[in-house]
Amino acid sequence: GAVVSQHPSWVICKSGTSVKIECRSLDFQATTMFWYRQFPKQSLMLMATSNEGSKATYEQGVEKDKFLINHASLTLSTLTVTSAHPEDSSFYICSARIDWTEAFFGQGTRLTVV
Amino acid sequence: GEDVEQSLFLSVREGDSSVINCTYTDSSSTYLYWYKQEPGAGLQLLTYIFSNMDMKQDQRLTVLLNKKDKHLSLRIADTQTGDSAIYFCAEYTGRRALTFGSGTRLQVQP
Repeated sequence: GAVVSQHPSWVICKSGTSVKIECRSLDFQATTMFWYRQFPKQSLMLMATSNEGSKATYEQGVEKDKFLINHASLTLSTLTVTSAHPEDSSFYICSARIDWTEAFFGQGTRLTVV
Repeated sequence: GEDVEQSLFLSVREGDSSVINCTYTDSSSTYLYWYKQEPGAGLQLLTYIFSNMDMKQDQRLTVLLNKKDKHLSLRIADTQTGDSAIYFCAEYTGRRALTFGSGTRLQVQP
């Protein structure tokens, strides 16, 4: 199947700093990518839809100034957690669609804010 | 609205069949998916079924869809310890990203 690569796999940062997470589609072009957040033992919560060449669409309750999304090319979307706080600690997962049938997911990034 | 529900936990013995159930509410779902998540990892697409199908089989996996009752199931034959993971069902309605169930933790006992 198609490959979606996420980097880094895990990151520890200090409160108040910013962290950037990359999501790449390695063998296909993705005009749309999705960013999810997963709390321990819970399901995936959609944060935003990343659209190549335009602004991201955020879900209700997700702070767009806190979670900056950039989709500069057809193979790369980035999520930047700005001024991170311990409550931002979570597992972040991106996904990309090849077509309307299949969605593939990155391996996830575990963010710990200390 | 969109709502997908699953039971939280299932325990089976190695070699038995596992059946994981899922219910959804949005009748406009076009595709329904099953994903597997191992600890600390992303989601692995196992299989998907189009809404006009009743059944799909892929090696040890059988997906059954009852569109009338909005019920989806995943049967894993000859369950192995390596099948221990969290299984998510998800629906796609064409309007937005996938909507996921809460996940079912499958524990396979030797």
